[in-house]
Amino acid sequence: AQKITQTQPGMFVQEKEAVTLDCTYDTSDQSYGLFWYKQPSSGEMIFLIYQGSYDEQNATEGRYSLNFQKARKSANLVISASQLGDSAMYFCAMREGLTNAGNMLTFGGGTRLMVKP
Amino acid sequence: ETGVTQTPRHLVMGMTNKKSLKCEQHLGHNAMYWYKQSAKKPLELMFVYSLEERVENNSVPSRFSPECPNSSHLFLHLHTLQPEDSALYLCASRPRGGGSDTQYFGPGTRLTVL
Repeated sequence: AQKITQTQPGMFVQEKEAVTLDCTYDTSDQSYGLFWYKQPSSGEMIFLIYQGSYDEQNATEGRYSLNFQKARKSANLVISASQLGDSAMYFCAMREGLTNAGNMLTFGGGTRLMVKP
Repeated sequence: ETGVTQTPRHLVMGMTNKKSLKCEQHLGHNAMYWYKQSAKKPLELMFVYSLEERVENNSVPSRFSPECPNSSHLFLHLHTLQPEDSALYLCASRPRGGGSDTQYFGPGTRLTVL
């Protein structure tokens, strides 16, 4: 079974509107971390936001927020007030277990977001 | 810019060539990673180094050979590659310890094997 599932291969959003990118995960660990990265066409993976499994509040970073629903094992990314520069691939990733030297991440298949002017 | 650099940014090589990819960071991080990103596939972890010691080799063919001479530099030596090895190769680093989880990525090397 896939550990990280992103069910939306592509999405459109109108500029200045909010958009939610879905991510569900599968783990039996009690301690884990969830990440979102943005990958523009240039290729670089840009870290956006992080949510720890024990964090009681949803993470927020500027226009990005993470809608963390632990019981449903979902960690959706919400982008408010979309901008043309938000057009990119977005990847959800998970680190299972405690932070350690290896800290391996498992990535989802990604969602391509296209912002319309 | 994350502070992680990769060279070259683009590489075209024949199957009999030997080449190396370089990753460099001066962020004080001491865990470094190589990932492979193929078209229409999730990002795949290849190697993990922590304090210059390899802690993970994710069943990568021996035609890929990593080297970590110090905590700031990571290389991926390539030899006798196959066309299916064409992909974007991403390097990442993170601080070890201190409770920080986040990996910071370089811009990647886009590799084409002819």
